[in-house]
Amino acid sequence: ELKVEQNPLFLSMQEGKNYTIYCNYSTTSDRLYWYRQDPGKSLESLFVLLSNGAVKQEGRLMASLDTKARLSTLHITAAVHDLSATYFCAVDNTGANSKLTFGKGITLSVRP
Amino acid sequence: DTGVSQNPRHKITKRGQNVTFRCDPISEHNRLYWYRQTLGQGPEFLTYFQNEAQLEKSRLLSDRFSAERPKGSFSTLEIQRTEQGDSAMYLCASSSPRTGVYGYTFGSGTRLTVV
Repeated sequence: ELKVEQNPLFLSMQEGKNYTIYCNYSTTSDRLYWYRQDPGKSLESLFVLLSNGAVKQEGRLMASLDTKARLSTLHITAAVHDLSATYFCAVDNTGANSKLTFGKGITLSVRP
Repeated sequence: DTGVSQNPRHKITKRGQNVTFRCDPISEHNRLYWYRQTLGQGPEFLTYFQNEAQLEKSRLLSDRFSAERPKGSFSTLEIQRTEQGDSAMYLCASSSPRTGVYGYTFGSGTRLTVV
C-alpha cells in the first residue's frame, strides 16, 4: 500500500527567512503533486513533478523530486504572510488505475 | 472551461437521512474521482470512474455509499442513513491522462455536517 509522509506537520515561519519541507513516499512512483489548501477551501494545484530530478519554481516556492530516494522537497524563499496555508503532497501510483494518495499535510504559519 | 463544479457547497442533515452530492467535471476529462477529507487530515480516496465505468472503490466506501456516473459526464455520490462520522468535506476531482497532461483538478467540495 502506498504511503505518503510529510514533515513537519506544522511549521511556524518567520517573515523573510527560508525554509524547506519534505515529502516521503513508500513505493515507486514517477509523479508527485503539491497542492495548497486555505482553511475551508479546496485544493489548489501548485506543482506537478513528472520525473527524477524535476525541479519547478513559482514565485517563492521551488519543488524538486528525487524518485530514487522517494523524496520531494518544497523550498520556501523569504517567507511572506500570503504563504500561510496547508500544503499537501500527493503521489500518483503509476499504472492504469492511477489515483492520488495524499500525505497529512503541513500547515505553514508565517509570523512577522 | 469552468473547472470542476460541486453542488451543494454545504449540506446539514440529520442523522439517518440520505444525502446526494453532484459533481460536474471538466468536460473533456474522462476520469472522475471522489475523495473525503476530515479536519486535519489529507484527502482520502473513495472511488473513481473512467467514463461511466466505476473502476475502483476504497475500503472506506461502506455499503451506505454509492456513486454513479451514468453517462460519463456528471457524477453523484449518495450516502444513505447518514452517521455523524460521515461529517467531512467531500471533494471531486477530474483528470484526463489520455491527453498526456498529468494533473488532477479539484472542485470546491461539499461540506457535510451530520447532526
